[in-house]
Amino acid sequence: DAKTTQPTSMDCAEGRAANLPCNHSTISGNEYVYWYRQIHSQGPQYIIHGLKNNETNEMASLIITEDRKSSTLILPHATLRDTAVYYCIVTNAGGTSYGKLTFGQGTILTVHP
Amino acid sequence: NAGVMQNPRHLVRRRGQEARLRCSPMKGHSHVYWYRQLPEEGLKFMVYLQKENIIDESGMPKERFSAEFPKEGPSILRIQQVVRGDSAAYFCASSPPGLSNTGELFFGEGSRLTVL
Repeated sequence: DAKTTQPTSMDCAEGRAANLPCNHSTISGNEYVYWYRQIHSQGPQYIIHGLKNNETNEMASLIITEDRKSSTLILPHATLRDTAVYYCIVTNAGGTSYGKLTFGQGTILTVHP
Repeated sequence: NAGVMQNPRHLVRRRGQEARLRCSPMKGHSHVYWYRQLPEEGLKFMVYLQKENIIDESGMPKERFSAEFPKEGPSILRIQQVVRGDSAAYFCASSPPGLSNTGELFFGEGSRLTVL
């Protein structure tokens, strides 16, 4: 799986959009971009994923650049409960790597009142 | 619809004892994964199982660790002769059969093992 680079930490004011960047310059054609988060002491939670098109769900939006070398996770209206470690993961589809995710250090997002 | 259930949530063992961690996947899920999170470190893949089969155990330590997912009942992660370095949070995840969404895993709340 391609390596990802994320900032160590970010701050965001409650109610504002949180934009979390991720670089994955060595991503290959069959690799997806996944985002997970881990709220303190809890299990990781899937947020969203994409291949090359932008994606949106009830939790967040994912913007992937045209060359697919970077992406941004957007939480449109951050709340205090969004304070967590956010992981950007690149993984290919199928085969024995199915479900074998490589979690890096992630970005610690702190949402302030 | 219950999520991934792990028990015990907290387990304390003395060095040399055995630890057994159980995981019941979400209903309808036939794929189970175990991950380990050492203190102040990221999550590391350990093993991927389907019913009665180990598919990928490339992240499992070579000794003392074993995992199973029997035809009936929960998946079990077994650690024999525990050492202090085994103290960690162990997370189980599950996913449904099929390859349509290969990276979307549903994680449990974890089992926290403390070795005295």
